[in-house]
Amino acid sequence: SQTIHQWPATLVQPVGSPLSLECTVEGTSNPNLYWYRQAAGRGLQLLFYSVGIGQISSEVPQNLSASRPQDRQFILSSKKLLLSDSGFYLCAGGGLAGVKGNTGELFFGEGSRLTVL
Amino acid sequence: SQKIEQNSEALNIQEGKTATLTCNYTNYSPAYLQWYRQDPGRGPVFLLLIRENEKEKRKERLKVTFDTTLKQSLFHITASQPADSATYLCALRIDTGRRALTFGSGTRLQVQP
Repeated sequence: SQTIHQWPATLVQPVGSPLSLECTVEGTSNPNLYWYRQAAGRGLQLLFYSVGIGQISSEVPQNLSASRPQDRQFILSSKKLLLSDSGFYLCAGGGLAGVKGNTGELFFGEGSRLTVL
Repeated sequence: SQKIEQNSEALNIQEGKTATLTCNYTNYSPAYLQWYRQDPGRGPVFLLLIRENEKEKRKERLKVTFDTTLKQSLFHITASQPADSATYLCALRIDTGRRALTFGSGTRLQVQP
């Protein structure tokens, strides 16, 4: 199984400041990687996913960007944070069920709670 | 557009009873559906995956059913315990061209001792 490491765990940032959340994966190679955001008491909103190095798919237009500089590294960034960027950010890894022997389950990191003031 | 709806925001049951959670979806026929557990402040943890050709799947005290005609999955926890208290999320892939899961908003289960 995979292990997802994500940091920092908690972040308080002023409006207009930059952001960098990092995610690394252990236990597999060439995983699909995902960034989700969860507002308080809400479901998970998919922000970005990547099927390989340098390949990023964006789900919603927003103030954020993602990069995958290495196979097992996925970074979420912003140049200027907005109040609406506050939330619980989750990195996940996994593959599609039935593809390359994957079971289809996603492995999540412990999350990064971002508060923009 | 595709919708994934889970039956209620919170479900309170007595210890020892069976909890039943519902996941309904529209406008798509997924090849499989997944259930996750999420504790407060933590990332979701995978519980079960059920494929479209499977009517039912069991894992210990958990049972999942998948009715592709009704476009519904039911998630059962038998002999529930206070430790089962958590939010349960269903997830499915809504678009064959999109290699990502879409999650429902979750049902918070509270098991009273």
